[in-house]
Amino acid sequence: SQKIEQNSEALNIQEGKTATLTCNYTNYSPAYLQWYRQDPGRGPVFLLLIRENEKEKRKERLKVTFDTTLKQSLFHITASQPADSATYLCALDGNYGGSQGNLIFGKGTKLSVKP
Amino acid sequence: KAGVTQTPRYLIKTRGQQVTLSCSPISGHRSVSWYQQTPGQGLQFLFEYFSETQRNKGNFPGRFSGRQFSNSRSEMNVSTLELGDSALYLCASSPRAQGLGSTDTQYFGPGTRLTVL
Repeated sequence: SQKIEQNSEALNIQEGKTATLTCNYTNYSPAYLQWYRQDPGRGPVFLLLIRENEKEKRKERLKVTFDTTLKQSLFHITASQPADSATYLCALDGNYGGSQGNLIFGKGTKLSVKP
Repeated sequence: KAGVTQTPRYLIKTRGQQVTLSCSPISGHRSVSWYQQTPGQGLQFLFEYFSETQRNKGNFPGRFSGRQFSNSRSEMNVSTLELGDSALYLCASSPRAQGLGSTDTQYFGPGTRLTVL
């Protein structure tokens, strides 16, 4: 069955450094991958989407890569700030590479940025 | 545009009771999905409704059910509550464009925190 793993449950870094979060998947060929941010007591908020034919996507201080050979996505936050502290979730489409269907989420990585 | 709203925000029930949660999607969004979030299992997909029809279903027992109304508002029902049903229940809406190349970006509500005693 499909499996998504976010390697670290928690990641602690110093303000100003680059945070790198990892999302791996198995038994799967998703058409796209998404990253969400979730703050305590709130629902996840969509950040970025990258399609299978894209290697990299950027949005301000955020960068996502997608390696379909390694079955891995990396999520980078450059010049991190304490306000970036949150749980970050990766999600893949649930329909075996199709374009419609529910999302399957990883369990998330809790990022803490220390001033 | 107003975001996804969920009511109630907090709920305490006892084992064996049933509960109904409500979700109003973003205006114009026709797809509503429900997720259960627990510390141990993370976010798990329950089901998705589109134009009043259930289109996808996760791996949950039949005690979990839902429906969608003609105005896209959705309700989720859990019958015969168990302690393990304690969780944050999240509703998400999506424009859900049809056809290849469409994506399923979800816009989440704040969730309903259900506690079963």
